[in-house]
Amino acid sequence: DSGVTQTPKHLITATGQRVTLRCSPRSGDLSVYWYQQSLDQGLQFLIQYYNGEERAKGNILERFSAQQFPDLHSELNLSSLELGDSALYFCASSVSGGRYEQFFGPGTRLTVL
Amino acid sequence: SQQGEEDPQALSIQEGENATMNCSYKTSINNLQWYRQNSGRGLVHLILIRSNEREKHSGRLRVTLDTSKKSSSLLITASRAADTASYFCATDDMYSGGGADGLTFGKGTHLIIQP
Repeated sequence: DSGVTQTPKHLITATGQRVTLRCSPRSGDLSVYWYQQSLDQGLQFLIQYYNGEERAKGNILERFSAQQFPDLHSELNLSSLELGDSALYFCASSVSGGRYEQFFGPGTRLTVL
Repeated sequence: SQQGEEDPQALSIQEGENATMNCSYKTSINNLQWYRQNSGRGLVHLILIRSNEREKHSGRLRVTLDTSKKSSSLLITASRAADTASYFCATDDMYSGGGADGLTFGKGTHLIIQP
């Protein structure tokens, strides 16, 4: 158990819909990262938040957005969903930035029908 | 884009044998991390090696880093059936600054340990 929690575990929805994925980092970790894992693209970094502020963006689509709240939990919002958005979405946390170990949550499996 | 590339893509060995996986990357890095993923589940952090380190051990794991060749290897000794999983290397870009930016993952090596 990494100490990072994600909800829900599974999500099934239809094209065009909007969903919110939630992540709680390990106690004391200030950085939260979101990653997408799909068969064709592999594991891709989406976005990073540090202590409530956006820190870095990766391959995140404009239809996707995230935020980190004062209690440090984070939400990833995916809108206008397409079939190709079906993937595993992971949240990771670390003490600070990329020079430290990142600990991953169990992931949310999103299926878009 | 993928930075790390693991080699081989798949590896099948007998229980008790050693397993070696390699990773190559493209840019200068601060550190390199190895992760394990059991089928469809979360990633488990195995080991982090910094750019100024050449070798690191953790239990049955041995990681080497050659920054001149931009490559790393993960050795699992005395393999067990429970080691069956996918193994990924991940790097952070030295020039991202201040710890910003996420990790760049390779495509992984799928390791199968035959009992």
